[in-house]
This record gives sequence, C-alpha cells and structure tokens, in this order.
Amino acid sequence: EIVLTQSPGTLSLSPGEGATLSCGASQSVSRSSLAWYQQKPGQAPRLLIYGASSRATGIPDRFSAGGSGTDFTLTISSLEPEDFAMYYCQQFDSSPWTFGQGTRVEI
Amino acid sequence: QVQLQQWGAGLLKPSETLSLTCAVYGGSFSNYIWSWIRESPGKGLEWIGDITQSGMTSYNPSLTRRVTISLDISMNQMSLRLSSVTAADTAIYYCARGSRCSESYYRRMGSCKTYFGPWGQGSLVTVSS
Repeated sequence: EIVLTQSPGTLSLSPGEGATLSCGASQSVSRSSLAWYQQKPGQAPRLLIYGASSRATGIPDRFSAGGSGTDFTLTISSLEPEDFAMYYCQQFDSSPWTFGQGTRVEI
Repeated sequence: QVQLQQWGAGLLKPSETLSLTCAVYGGSFSNYIWSWIRESPGKGLEWIGDITQSGMTSYNPSLTRRVTISLDISMNQMSLRLSSVTAADTAIYYCARGSRCSESYYRRMGSCKTYFGPWGQGSLVTVSS
C-alpha cells in the first residue's frame, strides 16, 4: 500500500502568516488522486481539497494544493484563527486508500 | 445538503462483533460510494471499506476477513460489522460519503477511486475485557 508521510509534524505560526504543509508518498501518485482534510478537536475530518486543486463546497480560496509524483503541498495563504487544526492528506490512486499521519497547525 | 448520523454500541469485549449504523439525510445512495473509516492513536486514519448502491463492496485487505458493510436502501442507512474485535480495534469509527462512481465502473474495476466528504460525527468504540 502507499504510505503517506506528512511534514512537519507541527507548524507553529501566527494569524496572518502563510503555511505550507508537505505530504510525501512512498510511490508516485497521480496529482488528481490526492485529497486534503482539516480536523478540529472532537470533530470529524472535513474535506478541503480533492483532485488536482478542487476546493470542496464552502472552502475559502486561501487554501490551495499543488505537487506531483511523490511530493505534494497544501498551502494556506494567510492563516485565520479558525485554520488552526490538524491537516491530513489522503491518496486515492491505489487501493487501499491511505492517509498521512497529519500535521498540526498551532498558534 | 447531505448529512450523516451514526450510532452503535460503544463498549465491546474481545471476540465480540462491532456493529454501527449510519443514516443518510438530505440525499440518497445513488451515484456515490459510501465508506467507513476509523481513527486510532496507533494507526491514525484507516479506510475500512466502501459500498455502492447495489451492494458491491470493497474492503481494506487488512480487515477483509472480519468486516461486512451493508445497505438498507429503504431506510437510507448503511451498516458496519466487524467481527472478533480486539483492543487493536479500539477507535473512533466514521461513516462518510465517497466520490461519485458509476455501478458499471465499480463492477469492472472492483472499486472506485474515492475521497471522503461529508463525514458522520464519529462513534467511539472501545474494546476492553
């Protein structure tokens, strides 16, 4: 199965700053087969971005995704207070679908 | 807007069978994959399996011997059963809608590439003697 490794484990930033989260795959993944999720404490994950760079319903455009092959990124252009959370990548190129271990974005 | 609400027993003994149900509100099972995912401190987020409207299923190989996912179309509900549980099955279990997928594609390929959203609220299942 494809193993996804996210880095860094924790990102300490301030509101207004930009954030770049990384997701590395153990083998090449189609750019259109990667998704990103946000999870806040006590809540289920929420889909942010799927495919190459399609934002889910209601997701603001400060969230964007990029990358190809084995290296992918999630970028938050300017952090809002509600963006401090856990973020996960997920590949759906090869079954079983797998998730990264997450990056925590904290103040 | 589609919403998922789930429920089921939260405390099990080793060797028992986990049973969870997920109701879908504001939509139907048509044209989508429907999935179960779990989250544990040790393994993080783990895809369990999914099902189509017609009942075709695909399971994570790590769980396939013990897992059954089924649908009750008339009730707009999906169910998960996991047999012979151990402490390693202690986790928060989520139901989720997967991607759009045609029955014919799923039948031909054995699964559909899928991401997940929206999700149910989660059900904490603890396995302890």
